Amino acid sequence: TQLLEQSPQFLSIQEGENLTVYCNSSSVFSSLQWYRQEPGEGPVLLVTVVTGGEVKKLKRLTFQFGDARKDSSLHITAAQPGDTGLYLCAGAENYGQNFVFGPGTRLSVLP
Amino acid sequence: DAGVIQSPRHEVTEMGQEVTLRCKPISGHNSLFWYRQTMMRGLELLIYFNNNVPIDDSGMPEDRFSAKMPNASFSTLKIQPSEPRDSAVYFCASSFYVWGDQPQHFGDGTRLSIL
Repeated sequence: TQLLEQSPQFLSIQEGENLTVYCNSSSVFSSLQWYRQEPGEGPVLLVTVVTGGEVKKLKRLTFQFGDARKDSSLHITAAQPGDTGLYLCAGAENYGQNFVFGPGTRLSVLP
Repeated sequence: DAGVIQSPRHEVTEMGQEVTLRCKPISGHNSLFWYRQTMMRGLELLIYFNNNVPIDDSGMPEDRFSAKMPNASFSTLKIQPSEPRDSAVYFCASSFYVWGDQPQHFGDGTRLSIL
């Protein structure tokens, strides 16, 4: 069973700063998803990446899938308090098998 | 459109009692997932269904846990008897089909406390 690691585990920054969080595994993913979870709610999908080296942008968020499809990063530019939450990556092997969530990065953006 | 609906939102009960959690997936979705989330273990997949059939229940912790999906619009997760270590937030999610690049749509969860 593949394992996903996320770093850092916790991150507290001031509004306006930039940050990057990481998702890594020793396994190759056929696809990888990023979710954000706010307190009292379920995770909500932000993006899906499927091609090695792919970069996707969602407003101030930039997602990158590693060339070897074993890792991914999420970069937030000019973080805002509304970005506060738990960021989870989730990956699947072989287009569906062994889908797992990482432990998450808990981000706090202070005003 | 209505999202995934879970009930109850909160449940507090005493050890040994039976607990039943309910989920209504998004209409048209063929796959349904039950997860458990704790600070220590994160988000764990318990079981998932495809077209109402249980496909993988290897994440179900013990025989005390059981899940059913009698039709495409309803699923239950039952714990009997409940124990304090079962305290967690339980999420239900649905998607058009299993895994791949399809997003999972989560409900708001049931916060379960076993005293």
